[in-house]
Amino acid sequence: QVQLVQSGAEVKRPGSSVKVSCKASGGSFSSYSFNWVRQAPGQGLEWMGRIIPIFGKPNYARKFQGRLTLSADDSTKTTYMELNTLRSDDTAVYYCARDGSSAAAAGALSFWGQGTLVTVSA
Amino acid sequence: DIQMTQSPSTLSASVGDRVTITCRASQSISSWLAWYQQKPGKAPKLLIYKASSLESGVPSRFSGSGSGTEFTLTISSLQPDDFGTYYCQQYDSYWTFGQGTKVEIK
Repeated sequence: QVQLVQSGAEVKRPGSSVKVSCKASGGSFSSYSFNWVRQAPGQGLEWMGRIIPIFGKPNYARKFQGRLTLSADDSTKTTYMELNTLRSDDTAVYYCARDGSSAAAAGALSFWGQGTLVTVSA
Repeated sequence: DIQMTQSPSTLSASVGDRVTITCRASQSISSWLAWYQQKPGKAPKLLIYKASSLESGVPSRFSGSGSGTEFTLTISSLQPDDFGTYYCQQYDSYWTFGQGTKVEIK
C-alpha cells in the first residue's frame, strides 16, 4: 500500500528557509499529484501547492507564490517542499498528501504523510 | 479563488444521532468535493470524494451529497469513534479547504 514518510521536525530562525522531504513507497510515483498542506497550531488546513513529477511544473497557492518551491526526484520517489523567508506565523505542521489511485479519486487526497512540525522562533 | 464555508463550526451530539455538516462553495465546483476527518495530532483521513463516493474502508454510516455549490456530509448514526474535526475541500480549481467542523460526543 502507498506510504508517505516525511522528514523530521525542524526549528528555524525568522528569515531562514526550511526544506521538508516526503518519500513515497508502495505505488507508482511520477503520474500522481503530490500536494502540500499545512496546519498552524489550533487552526484549519491550508493548501500550499502541488507537483506532478512527470510534468515537473508545480502549482502554488497565490499566498505562497515567490516563497515556496516544490520539487520531485523520480530516482528516490521523494518530493520536497522548500519555504523561504520564514516568519513566526509559518510555524505549523506541514503535510504531504497524494491523490487517489483511481481516476474518480484523482484530486482527492487519499494518502497522507505523518506531518512535519516546523517551528519558527528567534 | 474559490472559498469554502462550512457550518456549523462545532456540534455536540449523542451516540446514535444523525449528524449533518454543510459545505458551501463560493462558485460552482460541480462534484469536485472531498470530505476528511481529522483527529488530534493525526493527519486527515479521506472519507468521501467526488461529493458522494465513499473511500475504501470508510464505514457506510458516512455519506455525502450535493453538487454545484451546496454539499452535505451525513453520519447516519454517530459512533464514539466519530469525534474529531471534519473538513470539506474543493478540487475543481486548485484546492481549498473549509474552516472545519468540530464534532463532539455528548
